Amino acid sequence: AQKITQTQPGMFVQEKEAVTLDCTYDTSDQSYGLFWYKQPSSGEMIFLIYQGSYDEQNATEGRYSLNFQKARKSANLVISASQLGDSAMYFCAMRDLNQAGTALIFGKGTTLSVSS
Amino acid sequence: DGGITQSPKYLFRKEGQNVTLSCEQNLNHDAMYWYRQDPGQGLRLIYYSQIVNDFQKGDIAEGYSVSREKKESFPLTVTSAQKNPTAFYLCASSIDRGITNYGYTFGSGTRLTVV
Repeated sequence: AQKITQTQPGMFVQEKEAVTLDCTYDTSDQSYGLFWYKQPSSGEMIFLIYQGSYDEQNATEGRYSLNFQKARKSANLVISASQLGDSAMYFCAMRDLNQAGTALIFGKGTTLSVSS
Repeated sequence: DGGITQSPKYLFRKEGQNVTLSCEQNLNHDAMYWYRQDPGQGLRLIYYSQIVNDFQKGDIAEGYSVSREKKESFPLTVTSAQKNPTAFYLCASSIDRGITNYGYTFGSGTRLTVV
């Protein structure tokens, strides 16, 4: 069975600093995808970044990058130059890519607070 | 614009009542999903459907039921058998044609409270 672990219930960072949100995963699948979502207080889920298990390079999307270490089964999200608007809950998720329609499995999330 | 619409945004249920949460998408997505979110628990999968007239139980299906009569619609019924239904419910959809790196498109959620 797949499992996502996010060990940081809360993180605090100052504006313009970089922050790393940890995510480790467990799966026996060879082909899988890793996702990060942001959830502001409004409750909407915003897709941030994706990493495939066979991707050789770490994914980047603007200020977001994914530090993918396959051997250690970790997929940490790095946010550079934090902004006040980054304050939100962040979820790591994964899915099996061998079968169509498989569901995303989520971690419990990390609450990020950015201060000025 | 295409998207997923969940309604209502807030819902109050009396003890012993069944309630139905609506989820409609106009993205032409094949797969749809229902998640429950409790504080500190992340998102837990209730039910999902890969195709019309077919659906599968997720990790916490007890006390819930779904239907998928149309591709666009995937309503969730919270029955009186669900002992602790107060939570935030999120509906999502995805393209899912074979291997894909697409994540989900989420609705804005329904907050259900038992009164």
